Amino acid sequence: SQTIHQWPATLVQPVGSPLSLECTVEGTSNPNLYWYRQAAGRGLQLLFYSVGIGQISSEVPQNLSASRPQDRQFILSSKKLLLSDSGFYLCAWINGDRGRGSYNSPLHFGNGTRLTVT
Amino acid sequence: QKEVEQNSGPLSVPEGAIASLNCTYSDRGSQSFFWYRQYSGKSPELIMSIYSNGDKEDGRFTAQLNKASQYVSLLIRDSQPSDSATYLCAVNMNSGGYQKVTFGIGTKLQVIP
Repeated sequence: SQTIHQWPATLVQPVGSPLSLECTVEGTSNPNLYWYRQAAGRGLQLLFYSVGIGQISSEVPQNLSASRPQDRQFILSSKKLLLSDSGFYLCAWINGDRGRGSYNSPLHFGNGTRLTVT
Repeated sequence: QKEVEQNSGPLSVPEGAIASLNCTYSDRGSQSFFWYRQYSGKSPELIMSIYSNGDKEDGRFTAQLNKASQYVSLLIRDSQPSDSATYLCAVNMNSGGYQKVTFGIGTKLQVIP
């Protein structure tokens, strides 16, 4: 069965410090990977998505970046955090195998990282 | 116009009643629709998916889809206090070869014992 791991679970960082959040997926190949952010009292905002190694697309301009060094690894980074970067960060995956007609597959989430920038 | 719209609530229903949650979406090309439940401080978990017009039932949950009206709903029968959570409507569209999943803001449901 497929599982998704995301760490750390919680993080408190000062303004201006760097950030690295990691996500790995097991039990599937060629997944589409996503990073979402949920600010307090707000909806889920799509930050980045990736359809393959080294292929990253950004949905919103910000001081965050993402990388996909391996098929099942997705990393969210920042060189200098802002107060507005605080929130609940969620990694998610969808089966990316088009041959199986999987465009109707649901999104599966990791447990999330709660980031507080102080 | 937001891509996926939901009333943020809170929606309060007594225990045992039917809770009705609604969602509208803007893109007529949307192909699949999902309802997620999110407890406070936790990640969303999938509870229902629906792809064609009509009703789909799974236990106490029924999802309804009307593509002509661009409307999705979730009914929860015999509501329990454990159903108290935020319910997120999600819409999946093929966008340039990848699946773009957009969420509504979520409706907070409170089931009163």
